[in-house]
Amino acid sequence: EAGVAQSPRYKIIEKRQSVAFWCNPISGHATLYWYQQILGQGPKLLIQFQNNGVVDDSQLPKDRFSAERLKGVDSTLKIQPAKLEDSAVYLCASSLERGGGEQYFGPGTRLTVT
Amino acid sequence: KQEVTQIPAALSVPEGENLVLNCSFTDSAIYNLQWFRQDPGKGLTSLLLIQSSQREQTSGRLNASLDKSSGRSTLYIAASQPGDSATYLCAGVDDYKLSFGAGTTVTVRA
Repeated sequence: EAGVAQSPRYKIIEKRQSVAFWCNPISGHATLYWYQQILGQGPKLLIQFQNNGVVDDSQLPKDRFSAERLKGVDSTLKIQPAKLEDSAVYLCASSLERGGGEQYFGPGTRLTVT
Repeated sequence: KQEVTQIPAALSVPEGENLVLNCSFTDSAIYNLQWFRQDPGKGLTSLLLIQSSQREQTSGRLNASLDKSSGRSTLYIAASQPGDSATYLCAGVDDYKLSFGAGTTVTVRA
């Protein structure tokens, strides 16, 4: 079974530029999550999708971050414009069901904003 | 809001010693508790998932316990090996989302 795929693995941009990350979850997983992990901290949930609908985006900085999951499969997370404090690893995860189902994580995208 | 704490932040042990990693959470209405391993520059690998109705889970040298009443979970790793060196994170699930601790970074010395 293929795992959660993410691209790119690394990205370096200057502040005020825009960037996009892509995630393809495990086949058949209805729930998809985007997390932000700042160095030395645990991951923080940014947004959760159930199929192609948003379940929770309460911690997503909506003035600069956006995400979509068209057709309920893969997803894109965008930052525009980026700030220095957005430097982090962005992790995508998926689970078969919402709630207590086990989450499976992709390798992450390491973003450096200079 | 669920707050998850892991102490200590770092731990160094000689090979062969048993590891005990602690996790505490503030909201006992936790749905389940998941332990992850993270290697440098990598994503998270799920180690054990303890559902709220369970008190422990075991997989090979790993054993995790859950005490909802005291708000604690413990991960035991028996007979540690250098390959166990990594950061271990615990996460509580409630309200359909995971709340993570900051992790304990383990170094096993050969």
